[in-house]
Amino acid sequence: SQQGEEDPQALSIQEGENATMNCSYKTSINNLQWYRQNSGRGLVHLILIRSNEREKHSGRLRVTLDTSKKSSSLLITASRAADTASYFCATDIRGGADGLTFGKGTHLIIQP
Amino acid sequence: DTAVSQTPKYLVTQMGNDKSIKCEQNLGHDTMYWYKQDSKKFLKIMFSYNNKELIINETVPNRFSPKSPDKAHLNLHINSLELGDSAVYFCASSRLTSGGAETQYFGPGTRLLVL
Repeated sequence: SQQGEEDPQALSIQEGENATMNCSYKTSINNLQWYRQNSGRGLVHLILIRSNEREKHSGRLRVTLDTSKKSSSLLITASRAADTASYFCATDIRGGADGLTFGKGTHLIIQP
Repeated sequence: DTAVSQTPKYLVTQMGNDKSIKCEQNLGHDTMYWYKQDSKKFLKIMFSYNNKELIINETVPNRFSPKSPDKAHLNLHINSLELGDSAVYFCASSRLTSGGAETQYFGPGTRLLVL
């Protein structure tokens, strides 16, 4: 069964604006990870946030985690055309032994 | 140097055939995975494997079987291919710690088309 649900499913913004994507999940997690997938390519890891963490930063990326609401958000600040991609959240439920459970993804388009 | 590599990149074949996809990782990770991404981009875990345990997603048909000749390789064999098997298959690897799975590194994907 699907664990993560991202919203929105698609997002189009102007270059320079901030983009926020949300992810909700159903069961308790070990950690939550965000990945980016450019069209026709593999997945690239962005950030891992553990269940006992609330916020993490990496460059222009900021991830929050609210385990009480079973939700996470990914914020990309000062967006660039190169940020155009699909973004997926993925949850690690059983300590990685049985892989990650992915959401459906948010397709982000940055208009130049 | 490619961390996780898959071959072939593209695979076009007829229904009923048997095919294999190879995966190799040079990261020294102890756990490898296979995921399937369908036409709607939904990614689903198929298998996870380390030297102690093979975990199979119960929805995966038994026509699919992973084979690991050593810790750096996890190949995917598919028997009697069906039209619905058309998808992109991703191999991934990670290191398991007491804190759970660390970052997963994905291969570039194998685009399978069954005619």
